[in-house]
Amino acid sequence: AQSVSQHNHHVILSEAASLELGCNYSYGGTVNLFWYVQYPGQHLQLLLKYFSGDPLVKGIKGFEAEFIKSKFSFNLRKPSVQWSDTAEYFCAVNAHNAGNMLTFGGGTRLMVKP
Amino acid sequence: NAGVTQTPKFQVLKTGQSMTLQCAQDMNHNSMYWYRQDPGMGLRLIYYSASEGTTDKGEVPNGYNVSRLNKREFSLRLESAAPSQTSVYFCASSAPLAGGLYEQYFGPGTRLTVT
Repeated sequence: AQSVSQHNHHVILSEAASLELGCNYSYGGTVNLFWYVQYPGQHLQLLLKYFSGDPLVKGIKGFEAEFIKSKFSFNLRKPSVQWSDTAEYFCAVNAHNAGNMLTFGGGTRLMVKP
Repeated sequence: NAGVTQTPKFQVLKTGQSMTLQCAQDMNHNSMYWYRQDPGMGLRLIYYSASEGTTDKGEVPNGYNVSRLNKREFSLRLESAAPSQTSVYFCASSAPLAGGLYEQYFGPGTRLTVT
């Protein structure tokens, strides 16, 4: 079974700092990759997704992620964070042999200080 | 469209009590899911329903039952609640996209406390 690791559990940044959140997965076959965001008190929303093509994926609100197949990674980046980016971020993987099931990482809680 | 809706938003139960969490979606999706979210563990799949009339166990099904009442509704039942079931429960539904990709849409969650 596939697993997803998010090594940063808590990240604290000041506004305008750059952000990179790590995500690694353990599955050797074809995968679809997702980042979800959960703002305080709200449900999960899709930030961006990758399923083929350009490994650099751009999402909403200035976020992007790069799929590096050789490293089994899909790290999330943003050049300059804002206070409103304070949220919990989840990486998720869909392995092509798992139908439409998602496996989630443990989440990274980001706090941006104004 | 309301998307995915869940009731109730909050619930407190005593150990041994039973309850049903309700979920409905108005997007005509075939697949629906129940997850629980616990700190540091992300979301873990409890049960899913690939289509109306079918249900399957996920990663953590013990202590739960589900019913896919129709295409719109997918309920989660706790027959005898335990403190270990204190969690936030999310329902989701998914739509197929091009190339075999599925995108899941989540409800607002139910925060359950079992004392």
